[in-house]
Amino acid sequence: DAGVIQSPRHEVTEMGQEVTLRCKPISGHDYLFWYRQTMMRGLELLIYFNNNVPIDDSGMPEDRFSAKMPNASFSTLKIQPSEPRDSAVYFCASSLGGGVHTGELFFGEGSRLTVL
Amino acid sequence: KNQVEQSPQSLIILEGKNCTLQCNYTVSPFSNLRWYKQDTGRGPVSLTIMTFSENTKSNGRYTATLDADTKQSSLHITASQLSDSASYICVVPNSRGYNKLIFGAGTRLAVHP
Repeated sequence: DAGVIQSPRHEVTEMGQEVTLRCKPISGHDYLFWYRQTMMRGLELLIYFNNNVPIDDSGMPEDRFSAKMPNASFSTLKIQPSEPRDSAVYFCASSLGGGVHTGELFFGEGSRLTVL
Repeated sequence: KNQVEQSPQSLIILEGKNCTLQCNYTVSPFSNLRWYKQDTGRGPVSLTIMTFSENTKSNGRYTATLDADTKQSSLHITASQLSDSASYICVVPNSRGYNKLIFGAGTRLAVHP
């Protein structure tokens, strides 16, 4: 299996611009998670989906962030407008059913976002 | 408050030496604890999982222990290699059973030749 695929790997943009991060989960996985990682705060859960439905978005920082999962094989995380404090590595992860309860997530390689 | 704390924050060892990383948690009730390895510029990858009934589990040169009474886990690396240089993250599921995980801040291990 190809694993979780994220794009772009690196994104540099200017404050105020829209940023869209993309994720293709492992085929057959029914949970998809978006995390943000910074040196100061470590890994933070932003939102997760089950069977394409958003279940918990309480970690989304503010209205500038939005996430969608139009089908089982694709999800996006959008930041509009972006701010310098959004600079971080954004990870997408997927898991299969009960695997979630045992904590096993399969992570993508991450998208490193730099907002100037 | 559910928390996962790791120590040390960072560690430097020479190739071939052993080391032990610590993870303390306050999550209750407890179901399991997982160790992840995160190479620089990569996503975390699961190393092993410890469930409530397990005390010790080995995965090659990695040995994880769990003491559910003291709520501590350790990850011991034997005969370290340069490729062991990474961050090691301890993760425990939220006690309320939601599909949320509590991540430790990680230990950054550097293995020098």
